[in-house]
Amino acid sequence: EVQLVESGGGLVQPGRSLRLSCAASGFTFDDYAMHWVRQAPGKGLEWVSGISWNSGSIGYADSVKGRFTISRDNAKNSLYLQMNSLRAEDTALYYCAKDTARKYSGYEHYDYWGQGTLVTVSS
Amino acid sequence: QLVLTQSPSASASLGASVKLTCTLSSGHSSYAIAWHQQQPEKGPRYLMKLNSDGSHSKGDGIPDRFSGSSSGAERYLTISSLQSEDEADYYCQTWGTGIRDVVFGGGTKLTVL
Repeated sequence: EVQLVESGGGLVQPGRSLRLSCAASGFTFDDYAMHWVRQAPGKGLEWVSGISWNSGSIGYADSVKGRFTISRDNAKNSLYLQMNSLRAEDTALYYCAKDTARKYSGYEHYDYWGQGTLVTVSS
Repeated sequence: QLVLTQSPSASASLGASVKLTCTLSSGHSSYAIAWHQQQPEKGPRYLMKLNSDGSHSKGDGIPDRFSGSSSGAERYLTISSLQSEDEADYYCQTWGTGIRDVVFGGGTKLTVL
């Protein structure tokens, strides 16, 4: 059974940092790209960042570029999101999601999601 | 620009059927999409990938009550024999060739009466 379990969320002051983690199990982690998607309170889904199976390709939404850093540790089946210079508008539930495309096959839709970890940026 | 448009809300009665629509922007009518369901206070759940020809492949454990179809730039999700647990937000997703080329629709909130 595929499982994605996020952790690391919490209440943080503007300008501070937070590191999110996503522990993956039930599939061959290093075969797939992984993504972070967030959802602000009462809003829709917003893609935040993605990383290819071997970390060779990384992308960020314009809203977080230069502040957030995605990484993965294939030996630990884990995905991370380092969030610096946090702003009130970063307040959201953060989900990790598994891409369906296997390595060397580009990127497609997501077939598994975690339950999310809540990040609240407030003074 | 790749954009997905969804109606903000829909409603249908318990036991009835409902058809939700996701519309691709001009010039992108050949794109496949994916449908995701988000029940209240839960993470999204993948329902199916839907191709431009209407063929679709469903995620693990998705009931036969959920089906997809396509017409031009429109992608549909039909839910038959509506149950109370189908009351949820439904999002469509599409993608391009690059890792940044992912787009979500704004979501449709389905109310089961």
